[in-house]
Amino acid sequence: EAGVAQSPRYKIIEKRQSVAFWCNPISGHATLYWYQQILGQGPKLLIQFQNNGVVDDSQLPKDRFSAERLKGVDSTLKIQPAKLEDSAVYLCASSLDLTSTQYFGPGTRLTVL
Amino acid sequence: ELKVEQNPLFLSMQEGKNYTIYCNYSTTSDRLYWYRQDPGKSLESLFVLLSNGAVKQEGRLMASLDTKARLSTLHITAAVHDLSATYFCAVDTRNSGYALNFGKGTSLLVTP
Repeated sequence: EAGVAQSPRYKIIEKRQSVAFWCNPISGHATLYWYQQILGQGPKLLIQFQNNGVVDDSQLPKDRFSAERLKGVDSTLKIQPAKLEDSAVYLCASSLDLTSTQYFGPGTRLTVL
Repeated sequence: ELKVEQNPLFLSMQEGKNYTIYCNYSTTSDRLYWYRQDPGKSLESLFVLLSNGAVKQEGRLMASLDTKARLSTLHITAAVHDLSATYFCAVDTRNSGYALNFGKGTSLLVTP
C-alpha cells in the first residue's frame, strides 16, 4: 500500500515570497491533516480536513496560510507571504476516518531566508 | 488547552541497558500514541493505547497507559543502537476532532 506522498521535499525561499506544498493521502483515507514541526519540537496541527470539509483550522495563521482539499483527495497548503519563523517541516498525515491511526508523509522542509 | 509533557528530552544510554521514557498529559484524552522519528524522516506509528491499564509490546519496546494518573511510559529493554531515534507521545480527544497533541519528543542515543 502506498504511503502519504508529499512534494516538494525541500524548499528554500526568501521572506515575503510565496510557497505551496502538496499532499496526496493514502487511498481511501477520508481525514487529512497538516502539521508544522519546528526544529526540536513536536508537530503542531495547522488544519484538519474530513473529506473536503474543514474540521479544525483554529491554529492556522489565516492571514498568511491557506489550505484546500478539492474533491476530498489531494491537498495543498500555501504560505503567502512567508516569514522567517515559518521555517519548519510541514507534515501531512491521513487516516481512514477521524478516530483511526494517522499515517505521516515524509514532510517538506521549508527554509525561509 | 491539552498539554503533553515528556521526560527526559534527551537520553544517552549504553547498549544492553534498560530505561523508561515518561509522558504526562493534562486533561482526559481518548487515546495515546507513541511515534518514532529518525533524523530527516517522518513519523512512524509504534503503539496506540486505548484504555486504562493497556500494555503493548513490540520487540524491545513496551508501552503502558495509566489514565487515572494521565501517564504513559515507554520502556526500553536491553537497548541496541538501532533504537536511536526521537520518540514522541501524542494524545487525541473528541473535543479536538481527534487531532494529535504532541509532546516535545525524547531524543534517544544508544551507544556501544
